[in-house]
Amino acid sequence: AQKITQTQPGMFVQEKEAVTLDCTYDTSDQSYGLFWYKQPSSGEMIFLIYQGSYDEQNATEGRYSLNFQKARKSANLVISASQLGDSAMYFCARLTAALLGADTGRRALTFGSGTRLQVQP
Amino acid sequence: DVKVTQSSRYLVKRTGEKVFLECVQDMDHENMFWYRQDPGLGLRLIYFSYDVKMKEKGDIPEGYSVSREKKERFSLILESASTNQTSMYLCASSLVTGGAGSSTEAFFGQGTRLTVV
Repeated sequence: AQKITQTQPGMFVQEKEAVTLDCTYDTSDQSYGLFWYKQPSSGEMIFLIYQGSYDEQNATEGRYSLNFQKARKSANLVISASQLGDSAMYFCARLTAALLGADTGRRALTFGSGTRLQVQP
Repeated sequence: DVKVTQSSRYLVKRTGEKVFLECVQDMDHENMFWYRQDPGLGLRLIYFSYDVKMKEKGDIPEGYSVSREKKERFSLILESASTNQTSMYLCASSLVTGGAGSSTEAFFGQGTRLTVV
């Protein structure tokens, strides 16, 4: 299986500081998409940001940005100006190759094991 | 507001029981998914459906089956629940994408925490 690796089980950051959450991935695909989701203690999964493999610029969404290094197969999430409400689990994910071997919409997200971020006041 | 709704937030069942987890989405999405979430393992795909009555096995289908009789509803079935199926179960849906580089996100339900005793 093509793996997603998040090597940081837990991270601490001071409020208002920036933090980087690491993500590396396996792939033999030329075209793929990478996602980050946030899961607060309430349990819902919240989509944060997306990066396409052919996108030339790193994705940004407000305080979230993605440090995409294609050759190294890494897609690290950077959160700037951390807030207490950023405390949550963060998951990196990518669209896997088509499950039936054809280039259709039949794709699913493969997730990493997650990083628990705690923002300290 | 888009919605994926799972029928139960918490469920306690006995070993050997047949268990149904229901998921409904109101976004007319073709794709629906069942994931299992365990600490340290992230989310693992159990089954995937890309159309009514169509299904595909994910990474950990053993001990589970699924049913999709209507586009909006995707059910996960534990044929004979066991204690190692105690977990958080997450349902998700998404549009059909044009390719692996598509930005179409998956929308998730609130999760069902299942305990098998």
